[in-house]
Amino acid sequence: GQQVMQIPQYQHVQEGEDFTTYCNSSTTLSNIQWYKQRPGGHPVFLIQLVKSGEVKKQKRLTFQFGEAKKNSSLHITATQTTDVGTYFCAGPFRDSNYQLIWGAGTKLIIKP
Amino acid sequence: DTAVSQTPKYLVTQMGNDKSIKCEQNLGHDTMYWYKQDSKKFLKIMFSYNNKELIINETVPNRFSPKSPDKAHLNLHINSLELGDSAVYFCASSLLARSSYNEQFFGPGTRLTVL
Repeated sequence: GQQVMQIPQYQHVQEGEDFTTYCNSSTTLSNIQWYKQRPGGHPVFLIQLVKSGEVKKQKRLTFQFGEAKKNSSLHITATQTTDVGTYFCAGPFRDSNYQLIWGAGTKLIIKP
Repeated sequence: DTAVSQTPKYLVTQMGNDKSIKCEQNLGHDTMYWYKQDSKKFLKIMFSYNNKELIINETVPNRFSPKSPDKAHLNLHINSLELGDSAVYFCASSLLARSSYNEQFFGPGTRLTVL
C-alpha cells in the first residue's frame, strides 16, 4: 500500500547546528505538506510544495520537493530552542483531494 | 477566537465505558477529520467527513463512530473503551477544493486515558 517514510525518527542537535528531515513516498505525490508539532501541542501547517524541484524558504527553514515528486526535505539552519518539536510531512492519500497520508515525524531535540 | 476547538481536553475513564469527544470549527470548512496520535507520535487518520461523504479508515474498530450534527461539528463516540484506546485524539478541518489541496487546521487535542 501507499507509504510515506520519514527519517530520522529523532535528531539531537546543539543549539546553532543545522537540522534536516527527509520524507520519501512510495508513489508520486501531487503535492506535499509540512507540519510542526510543539511538545504538548497540535500539528500546525508550515508549507505546501506543489511543483517538481520546488524550493521554498521561510526564514531559517528551507523546504524542497524532489524532481520526481516522491521525496522532500526540510532543512533548518542554525537551530534555536523555538524550533524544538516534531516535524511531519504529509501527502495526498491515493487520489483523494483532501485526505492525507502522514510520515512518522522527526523529533528535533536541542541538547542542553 | 479558536478556529478548531475540542472538548474535553483530558478524559480519564474506566475500561468498558462509553465516551464522546466533541469538535467544532468556526472556519466554514467543508471537511473534518479525526486523528489518533499514539505515544510514539504517529498520526493515524480515523475518519474523514464532508457534507456528502464519510470515509472510514478500515483499521478503525467499529466501537468508534463519528457523528456530525451539522457542517461545523464532528463528534467522536467511543463504545466499550479499551486500554489500547489511550491516546491523544485530534480533530482537524480543511476547505474542500476540487483542484487544489488545502492545509488542515488541528484542534488542541483530547488526551484520553483508559484505566
